[in-house]
Amino acid sequence: GENVEQHPSTLSVQEGDSAVIKCTYSDSASNYFPWYKQELGKRPQLIIDIRSNVGEKKDQRIAVTLNKTAKHFSLHITETQPEDSAVYFCAASGSGGGADGLTFGKGTHLIIQP
Amino acid sequence: GAVVSQHPSWVICKSGTSVKIECRSLDFQATTMFWYRQFPKQSLMLMATSNEGSKATYEQGVEKDKFLINHASLTLSTLTVTSAHPEDSSFYICSARVVADSPLHFGNGTRLTVT
Repeated sequence: GENVEQHPSTLSVQEGDSAVIKCTYSDSASNYFPWYKQELGKRPQLIIDIRSNVGEKKDQRIAVTLNKTAKHFSLHITETQPEDSAVYFCAASGSGGGADGLTFGKGTHLIIQP
Repeated sequence: GAVVSQHPSWVICKSGTSVKIECRSLDFQATTMFWYRQFPKQSLMLMATSNEGSKATYEQGVEKDKFLINHASLTLSTLTVTSAHPEDSSFYICSARVVADSPLHFGNGTRLTVT
């Protein structure tokens, strides 16, 4: 099955700086890679996703890059703000179709220092 | 946007009792729903895939007789934790897609505490 590794487990950055979280996956058949943000005690919220036919996707301060050859993808947050503090999970799945659940990374606790 | 509702949001039960958790898709139909478990400060682990009108598919290591899943309609899946023990205490969360190849939407989760 799929195995997703995520680094770092904790990331502390100064407000206004950029944050980068990296993930690798093992199953070359995986082609859908979402990123979720989870605040304490709440549900994960999708913040951005990318499919394997695209190398990069951007939405305002958030971007995701994908390297299929190396089987890794990264989340980039620019101009970080205090409200960005949360746990971020990367995930991968085979097709994104109805039959596939997601395999999650272990999460990154992002701390934005004021 | 798509809404997945989960009930209850928290429950405390005594060891040996059973607890039922409901997951509803409020504004769409879901032939497939997914149940996850999350221990404190850990990741979400897929427990099982709930299929409308057929048996659920369980991940390796998840006891199907302990975690009973019923997906009787296109908008409702239930997870029953039978004969609960303290080690079953966790955050249980369901998810579903509106259509194939669309993002997963999560319920608000259920925090189960077994005393």
